[in-house]
Amino acid sequence: KQEVTQIPAALSVPEGENLVLNCSFTDSAIYNLQWFRQDPGKGLTSLLLIQSSQREQTSGRLNASLDKSSGRSTLYIAASQPGDSATYLCAVPRRISGTYKYIFGTGTRLKVLA
Amino acid sequence: ETGVTQSPTHLIKTRGQQVTLRCSSQSGHNTVSWYQQALGQGPQFIFQYYREEENGRGNFPPRFSGLQFPNYSSELNVNALELDDSALYLCASSSFGKVGELFFGEGSRLTVL
Repeated sequence: KQEVTQIPAALSVPEGENLVLNCSFTDSAIYNLQWFRQDPGKGLTSLLLIQSSQREQTSGRLNASLDKSSGRSTLYIAASQPGDSATYLCAVPRRISGTYKYIFGTGTRLKVLA
Repeated sequence: ETGVTQSPTHLIKTRGQQVTLRCSSQSGHNTVSWYQQALGQGPQFIFQYYREEENGRGNFPPRFSGLQFPNYSSELNVNALELDDSALYLCASSSFGKVGELFFGEGSRLTVL
């Protein structure tokens, strides 16, 4: 059974700091891992999709790494801004009935202070 | 923005009532999944629809049911509402069998009193 955990649950940092969010999964046989952003009461916006064959994926100030053997992924946010304040969720797919469902972590709630 | 739209955005019901939530999938996608997200939790898979049939279900009782229409849009129905059904219900659009990106709508916030 795949389980996904994220630490820390919440994080408050001053503007400009570089920060790392962590995601762990119990079953290393994953196809990919996806990081999402969620603003309060809103839907999920995909940030980065990292394939199982990749070790890193970058988009602007965001960098996601993947270490399948240790069951970990990290999301690195450079030079944080107040607009980065949101909940960040990671998810891995699990095969069901010929297709896939996603298993989510509980998220890290980030607050960047101006 | 994704092309996934959900309605209504917010609604309030009382225990025992029934609710229907709607979702239009992104153009080119043929599969719709529904997730329930309780406050402070990650989304939990309810079920998925493909070719107008349920294709996989999470740990949710039968009073959670759905439909998919020929244009790939979908409905989530919940009967006999309970207080614990209060949550954000998210619809996700994808292509069947492809383990690529998942595109979510903005969600429907359901409050059960």
